[in-house]
Amino acid sequence: GAGVSQTPSNKVTEKGKYVELRCDPISGHTALYWYRQSLGQGPEFLIYFQGTGAADDSGLPNDRFFAVRPEGSVSTLKIQRTERGDSAMYLCASSVSLAGGLNEQFFGPGTRLTVL
Amino acid sequence: AQSVTQLDSQVPVFEEAPVELRCNYSSSVSVYLFWYVQYPNQGLQLLLKYLSGSTLVKGINGFEAEFNKSQTSFHLRKPSVHISDTAEYFCAVSSGGSNYKLTFGKGTLLTVNP
Repeated sequence: GAGVSQTPSNKVTEKGKYVELRCDPISGHTALYWYRQSLGQGPEFLIYFQGTGAADDSGLPNDRFFAVRPEGSVSTLKIQRTERGDSAMYLCASSVSLAGGLNEQFFGPGTRLTVL
Repeated sequence: AQSVTQLDSQVPVFEEAPVELRCNYSSSVSVYLFWYVQYPNQGLQLLLKYLSGSTLVKGINGFEAEFNKSQTSFHLRKPSVHISDTAEYFCAVSSGGSNYKLTFGKGTLLTVNP
């Protein structure tokens, strides 16, 4: 079956612009995660969805960042008034959700965002 | 709070040589430990994980890792590497009630030379 997909694969924008990054999780996966990977660093947690709701958004760096998952499947990460420091690879992952279990996260290929 | 330290940013080795990629973690509670591999222009792929039980964990592509609680380490090993193992390797930890939240190290670039 298909894995996690992310679009676009690359996004170049200008400082101050608004961007949306899309994630299509594996079918049937109820949990969805966003991470950000800056150059030379490991991925950093941004937000976790369980179904339609954000169960933990503690990793979002500031209020310019927002994510939604209105139907419990596709998720969109939205960044307002982009800054050069937002340039990074944005990774999405999904997993099944088993009560009391630790569930393997399957990662997409990422969206590389460049803010000029 | 939890953290992960990968002691080597780059590890060059020759083909068919053994390799060890080092990982140390810190956490105040019991942990789950992972190694991921990232090939160029691809997403992260899980190599192996430690949840509980045997401290020696075997993963895909001939890799294995050993959980050492006293040394808070989870080093990754392979007895004989191939050119195709060239990639970035990330160690990660999750713990406690937020076990969905992976904390990654900065990664180790393994380069296998002919």
